[in-house]
Amino acid sequence: AQSVTQPDIHITVSEGASLELRCNYSYGATPYLFWYVQSPGQGLQLLLKYFSGDTLVQGIKGFEAEFKRSQSSFNLRKPSVHWSDAAEYFCAVGVDDYKLSFGAGTTVTVRA
Amino acid sequence: DAGVIQSPRHEVTEMGQEVTLRCKPISGHNSLFWYRQTMMRGLELLIYFNNNVPIDDSGMPEDRFSAKMPNASFSTLKIQPSEPRDSAVYFCASRRTGNEKLFFGSGTQLSVL
Repeated sequence: AQSVTQPDIHITVSEGASLELRCNYSYGATPYLFWYVQSPGQGLQLLLKYFSGDTLVQGIKGFEAEFKRSQSSFNLRKPSVHWSDAAEYFCAVGVDDYKLSFGAGTTVTVRA
Repeated sequence: DAGVIQSPRHEVTEMGQEVTLRCKPISGHNSLFWYRQTMMRGLELLIYFNNNVPIDDSGMPEDRFSAKMPNASFSTLKIQPSEPRDSAVYFCASRRTGNEKLFFGSGTQLSVL
């Protein structure tokens, strides 16, 4: 069965510093991979996705992620964090046509 | 477009009461999903509709939970009777079939006392 692991429950980063959120997956085939962000009191918003092709994917809000098949990873990065990036981030693996298996989430706190 | 609309935003009820959560998907979207989010289990898919028909309800926890989609613009998730362990945030999401981007509503925070 597929699974998604986000090893970091909580990350604190200074404004302007770089951010990297880890995501590892377990799935038999090449998965569809997603990163979602959830701001307080809001639903989930898609940041970026990977289906095939270039393994470095650009998303919204200055985020990017790199798919590494050898490491079964899809880590999310941002070079310079803004205070508005404080949120919870979810990595997800797409299975079949509609099932998304979500990681437990990583909470990002941005300090001034 | 107003996005996926869920109501109510917050619901507080007593154990044993019936709870109905509502969702209006984005116009033109023909796939609708109900998710539940808890600290313990994270985000779980409860049920998936395509063209108003339930395709996969394997995530519905038990018979106390039921979901309907009487038309393309409305869906309900009902819990009867509710229990404290049902306390969670329930999200509705929609998309066009074949378009993988899911649009989520703001969720309903349910507290069962």
